[in-house]
Amino acid sequence: AQSVTQPDIHITVSEGASLELRCNYSYGATPYLFWYVQSPGQGLQLLLKYFSGDTLVQGIKGFEAEFKRSQSSFNLRKPSVHWSDAAEYFCAVAPPANDMRFGAGTRLTVKP
Amino acid sequence: DTAVSQTPKYLVTQMGNDKSIKCEQNLGHDTMYWYKQDSKKFLKIMFSYNNKELIINETVPNRFSPKSPDKAHLNLHINSLELGDSAVYFCASSYSGGAGDTQYFGPGTRLTVL
Repeated sequence: AQSVTQPDIHITVSEGASLELRCNYSYGATPYLFWYVQSPGQGLQLLLKYFSGDTLVQGIKGFEAEFKRSQSSFNLRKPSVHWSDAAEYFCAVAPPANDMRFGAGTRLTVKP
Repeated sequence: DTAVSQTPKYLVTQMGNDKSIKCEQNLGHDTMYWYKQDSKKFLKIMFSYNNKELIINETVPNRFSPKSPDKAHLNLHINSLELGDSAVYFCASSYSGGAGDTQYFGPGTRLTVL
């Protein structure tokens, strides 16, 4: 079945520590891949997206994501987390000619 | 200037009532969407419109009726509200509705049905 999975419901990291949020997908062909962030009480904002080409994608706010075809993964990373990064993070996939599907989200808590 | 705006931000109402949520985008996009986010933060598409025409209509009760008077507006009308309709509803827009298009989201409308 077609799906997008974020295995971690909640992650806590210390400020200044590195971060990796996981995303796996299951589709017949490589879909378009996105990461969105939702701050408390806000709408979703695009961090980055991947279509093709270089498998390491740079986004806003110092985030990057790496597409790994062999693992059907698109993990989000940040080398040093700031307190303002505390939010809900959604991985999303859009198969060609189909609508966008979101993962269940990962809530990030940042400890001082 | 707000790119995608929704009104109201909060909506509290009784079961059985009818309510509407309005959405406007000033990005010049052709496609607009409605999403429902439940209490567990799960986000699911409900409808999409491209240039005022319905494109996606997921399995949503027919109590929910979207209306697009022009391509900059997509309103959501809900009849006979039920407890299970309580959620945050997000409007979004994208340039042309293509799979790779970035979607721009409004701030959400938190609907509480008592």
